[in-house]
Amino acid sequence: EDQVTQSPEALRLQEGESSSLNCSYTVSGLRGLFWYRQDPGKGPEFLFTLYSAGEEKEKERLKATLTKKESFLHITAPKPEDSATYLCAVRTISSGSARQLTFGSGTQLTVLP
Amino acid sequence: EAQVTQNPRYLITVTGKKLTVTCSQNMNHEYMSWYRQDPGLGLRQIYYSMNVEVTDKGDVPEGYKVSRKEKRNFPLILESPSPNQTSLYFCASSLRTSGSFTDTQYFGPGTRLTVL
Repeated sequence: EDQVTQSPEALRLQEGESSSLNCSYTVSGLRGLFWYRQDPGKGPEFLFTLYSAGEEKEKERLKATLTKKESFLHITAPKPEDSATYLCAVRTISSGSARQLTFGSGTQLTVLP
Repeated sequence: EAQVTQNPRYLITVTGKKLTVTCSQNMNHEYMSWYRQDPGLGLRQIYYSMNVEVTDKGDVPEGYKVSRKEKRNFPLILESPSPNQTSLYFCASSLRTSGSFTDTQYFGPGTRLTVL
């Protein structure tokens, strides 16, 4: 069974204090790893897709990386507006062409001014 | 504006009273899906639809029904809601899903359902 585990569950940072969120996965053949941002009371908003180990993608203060067992979302010099829950999801061989995504439980990030 | 809309956004109901949550997308997406989100359990897929008149079960389909009569709409039906269906529900859509790649899913704003 495909499993996705995110850590930590919650993270509090001071503004400007860089850190990383972790998404580890145990799957039967990865076909894509996705990062989403979710603000309170809203639906998840797409950030990145990574397909193969060694791949990296960046957007503003966020950088996502992928290895064969895990993905990291690095946040450089975060600002209070980066506060949100960050979700990781995978699509795998066992997902088939239709079921698509298995989500982790998320990391709730709070950036204090 | 490209978007996925859901209605209602908030709903409080009682056990056994049938309800429908609507979902509509204006992006001409083929694929649509319903998820529920519960604390500590993440997003779990309820049902999905590959195209008009094509639907299938996700991971937690019990107690739910769906239909896809039009490409843009994908309503979620609870025939006899129970308290364990109290949750936050999201509809999502994507252009297609084929081969080894998945198009980006776009999520609606969510529907918070409370069943008393």
